[in-house]
Parts: sequence; structure tokens; C-alpha cells
Amino acid sequence: RKEVEQDPGPFNVPEGATVAFNCTYSNSASQSFFWYRQDCRKEPKLLMSVYSSGNEDGRFTAQLNRASQYISLLIRDSKLSDSATYLCAVNYGGSQGNLIFGKGTKLSVKP
Amino acid sequence: DAGVIQSPRHEVTEMGQEVTLRCKPISGHNSLFWYRQTMMRGLELLIYFNNNVPIDDSGMPEDRFSAKMPNASFSTLKIQPSEPRDSAVYFCASRGQGMFNEQFFGPGTRLTVL
Repeated sequence: RKEVEQDPGPFNVPEGATVAFNCTYSNSASQSFFWYRQDCRKEPKLLMSVYSSGNEDGRFTAQLNRASQYISLLIRDSKLSDSATYLCAVNYGGSQGNLIFGKGTKLSVKP
Repeated sequence: DAGVIQSPRHEVTEMGQEVTLRCKPISGHNSLFWYRQTMMRGLELLIYFNNNVPIDDSGMPEDRFSAKMPNASFSTLKIQPSEPRDSAVYFCASRGQGMFNEQFFGPGTRLTVL
């Protein structure tokens, strides 16, 4: 069974806080991983891909732990504009495969 | 650059009516995905195509749902007959060659079946 699990939240944090999300997946053969951001009543948009060695983009850091089958997203110095739902996505089915999405973690950053 | 285009953006219909959702993927993308999103079930993959060929339709809820991709620039998702439980946001997404590429989503069609 294809499963991608996330804590639904909501995470309510003050501005400037550091917040971390985890996402677990069931298929050990998965090879590509992503974090998407979805604003209210909008479509999901790619936030960042997750590479085996971990990667950073400004205040955002993504990491992959293959042994434990989870990916993480760390947001430092959170801004009001970071408020959104964060979806993790995991590839299934190889090169012609598709993404399976978690249900998302809702983040609310307060002044 | 035009992204993924979906129409209509909103659809309100009565139970039993046929609904057709349309999608134009990004030019040059060879994979197209149809998703449904609800609060309860999140973002669910319904069906996806590679090079206009359906690869996996295991997510299609039942025979009332059908999808076609007659050419590389157009796809439809049809529900006949529609039911209130079909109310959801339906997203179309496209992707270039390869699983490491980003999926780009259209703005979605918000469907309400009364």
C-alpha cells in the first residue's frame, strides 16, 4: 500500500520561531521526494526538492533519512507569509511513476 | 509562460448531471495527472498519463469517472452521473520527462454537486 503520512497540525508558532515537519513514507524503493506549499484555495506549488545529502534554500532546509523512511522540512526565522499548508510528496513507480502526497501540515505563524 | 490551464474554475451542478473538466498541460510536458482534493482525504491521485497513454487509473473512484487524453495538449475528466460526494477540488498537473522533475499544478476546478 502506498502511504505518505504527515502530522496534520495545525502548528501555531510566533514569528521568528523555528518549526520542523516530518513526513514518513512506506515504499523503500522511492527515489524522489518533494515539499510543496499550498496556500488557502490555491494549487500546490513546489517549495523544494529533497536530495539524499540534504539541501538548504534560505530559511528552509530539507533532509532525507532513507533508513527510517522519512523526510523533514525545517523553517527557521518563520515569517507571517510562511503560513500555509505544507505537503510532502514521494515518487512511486520509478521513472514513469507518480507522486503520492501526504495530507499536509498546516502552519500558522502569528505576530 | 502559460502554466497548466484548467476549465471551468468553478462548477455547480445537480446530482445526476454529467460534468466535464478540462486541462491543458504545459507545452512539452509528457506526463499529466488528475488529482482530487478534499478536507477528509487530502490530495488523491485519480489517474495519470505518460505520452497520452493512461498508466495508472487505480485511483479512479468508480465507473462514473472516466478520463481521456486525445493529444498532448488536452485532457478531460468526466463524471457521469455526478453525485454530491464528488464535490471537491479537482487539480490537473503536468510534468516533464523524468521522476525528478517538478509537477506543476493548474489552478483547479472547484466542483459542487447539489
